[in-house]
Amino acid sequence: KNEVEQSPQNLTAQEGEFITINCSYSVGISALHWLQQHPGGGIVSLFMLSSGKKKHGRLIATINIQEKHSSLHITASHPRDSAVYICAVLNYGGATNKLIFGTGTLLAVQP
Amino acid sequence: DSGVTQTPKHLITATGQRVTLRCSPRSGDLSVYWYQQSLDQGLQFLIQYYNGEERAKGNILERFSAQQFPDLHSELNLSSLELGDSALYFCASSVATSVWGDHSYNEQFFGPGTRLTVL
Repeated sequence: KNEVEQSPQNLTAQEGEFITINCSYSVGISALHWLQQHPGGGIVSLFMLSSGKKKHGRLIATINIQEKHSSLHITASHPRDSAVYICAVLNYGGATNKLIFGTGTLLAVQP
Repeated sequence: DSGVTQTPKHLITATGQRVTLRCSPRSGDLSVYWYQQSLDQGLQFLIQYYNGEERAKGNILERFSAQQFPDLHSELNLSSLELGDSALYFCASSVATSVWGDHSYNEQFFGPGTRLTVL
């Protein structure tokens, strides 16, 4: 079983829809990243959070430490949101933190 | 633009060869992390350096090695290349690294990646 699980693996939405991507993890973490990877391959950090909720534009990320679960929401989705969204947890241990990645959610937003 | 640079962008080579990937962290960042993204394994942490010293190791093969230089740039050396080493290699940097027992964190900023193709 992967230490970081994402669902769904693939998601197709119509422009304007509200989208939710979920991430569950089984290890101790100090923080959680949501990353976006476009078809060109580059990775952009969307959020890093350790508790509660963060909002940036149409993106909202929440985390529940007790339940070991995080969600990424996209409101009023747009075709330019089409990308792979990756959840990564910062696993504390020893003298450093390591990122453990989920397998990603491929989002396609159709006009 | 994250401020992290990687060269080259693309690299095509043959099995058995050796290549070096280079990463320059954001100005002021002391930690450099290397990641491999392959089709079958997804993103995996390889190794971390902090201010010139190796700090953590992940799923890095013995054929691979890395170092961080006094100017803080880092190189990832891949030798005796196999077809399965074809992947995207990312580096990321952060300001510092956590202290033992401290659950604080430092956001990592990713470079654009180097796409390695082994033929």
